[in-house]
Amino acid sequence: GAGVSQTPSNKVTEKGKYVELRCDPISGHTALYWYRQSLGQGPEFLIYFQGTGAADDSGLPNDRFFAVRPEGSVSTLKIQRTERGDSAVYLCASSETSVSYNEQFFGPGTRLTVL
Amino acid sequence: GNSVTQMEGPVTLSEEAFLTINCTYTATGYPSLFWYVQYPGEGLQLLLKATKADDKGSNKGFEATYRKETTSFHLEKGSVQVSDSAVYFCALSDRSSASKIIFGSGTRLSIRP
Repeated sequence: GAGVSQTPSNKVTEKGKYVELRCDPISGHTALYWYRQSLGQGPEFLIYFQGTGAADDSGLPNDRFFAVRPEGSVSTLKIQRTERGDSAVYLCASSETSVSYNEQFFGPGTRLTVL
Repeated sequence: GNSVTQMEGPVTLSEEAFLTINCTYTATGYPSLFWYVQYPGEGLQLLLKATKADDKGSNKGFEATYRKETTSFHLEKGSVQVSDSAVYFCALSDRSSASKIIFGSGTRLSIRP
């Protein structure tokens, strides 16, 4: 079956612009996670959805970052007034439930470059 | 808070050598432990996991044992292949933190033919 998909695969934008990154999880997975991976580092947690609601957004770095999952499937990560420090690979993952031992399946990521 | 510390890379070995990548963790609860792998040009994949103390996770010839007394989850393989060249991430997930995964910084492994 299809895995987690993310679009676009690459996004180049200018400082100050608004961007949206999309994640399409595996069908039927209720838990969805966003992570950010900077060069040479491990992924860092941003936000977690259980169904339509954001159950934990403690990893969002500031109020320029926002994410939605209105129908409990596709999710969009939105970044306002982008800064050069936002440049990273944004990863989405989904799992059947939020139980800690469940495998999270990762998408290929969106590489964001802010000039 | 929860954290993972793993051996810094890069690690370069010859084919058929023995591999160990060290990983230790700090957690307030009883985490599940994972090794993820990122092959060149590909996304993160789960390599193996262990959900309780003394469990051994294994896959593709790799093994790691959940050691609660030393808070460790070292990755080992008896005979590496060129195709094992990748970046390896040790990670943990704890139900008290909404099952988000905390990753180490990654270890780049290169295998020479």
